[in-house]
Amino acid sequence: GAVVSQHPSRVICKSGTSVKIECRSLDFQATTMFWYRQFPKQSLMLMATSNEGSKATYEQGVEKDKFLINHASLTLSTLTVTSAHPEDSSFYICSASAGLVSYEQYFGPGTRLTVT
Amino acid sequence: AQSVTQPDIHITVSEGASLELRCNYSYGATPYLFWYVQSPGQGLQLLLKYFSGDTLVQGIKGFEAEFKRSQSSFNLRKPSVHWSDAAEYFCAVGGTGGFKTIFGAGTRLFVKA
Repeated sequence: GAVVSQHPSRVICKSGTSVKIECRSLDFQATTMFWYRQFPKQSLMLMATSNEGSKATYEQGVEKDKFLINHASLTLSTLTVTSAHPEDSSFYICSASAGLVSYEQYFGPGTRLTVT
Repeated sequence: AQSVTQPDIHITVSEGASLELRCNYSYGATPYLFWYVQSPGQGLQLLLKYFSGDTLVQGIKGFEAEFKRSQSSFNLRKPSVHWSDAAEYFCAVGGTGGFKTIFGAGTRLFVKA
């Protein structure tokens, strides 16, 4: 149980275009979903936290107009990188939590974004 | 401020040898502690977690970790390492009251034959 999927696993896009990444909890309802960014050989950097039906809470330094997050249902959250640039190239990982108490997160397999 | 420190950037052990990965945390209350493993190009897999109770926690793949409040540590151990254990390991601390989970910088484990 507690499986989280991400789609696509890899995406290459041209500079200036937008890319949408989906994160789904397959067998549980995710009260909270998290989006992370991971640079090569580094730890995870939390970008934003989203609760179903609410606006996402962005971490300091993360541009909310550039990284649009939608948590439309208890099983789906999307991250849209708008007007992508090469510096947005990274590994994006989502996670989902079933409750507010445990903070136990289940991670998706990640999405490798390359902006050319 | 809350923080997680993994002092070792990378560790190399021989296959069959024992392993200990260190993790120290700073948190104002009783923390929720986690160890995750990440293979290259993959997401994170939860190895084990500590919320309360027995301070020695058993996880998957033969891993265990011990919570030591006096030392603010949550070190990960495995008695006999397998080549498939080579990966990146992250320690994390979470809590209640809206506290976000914080990840350590990670320790890369190399396993030599």
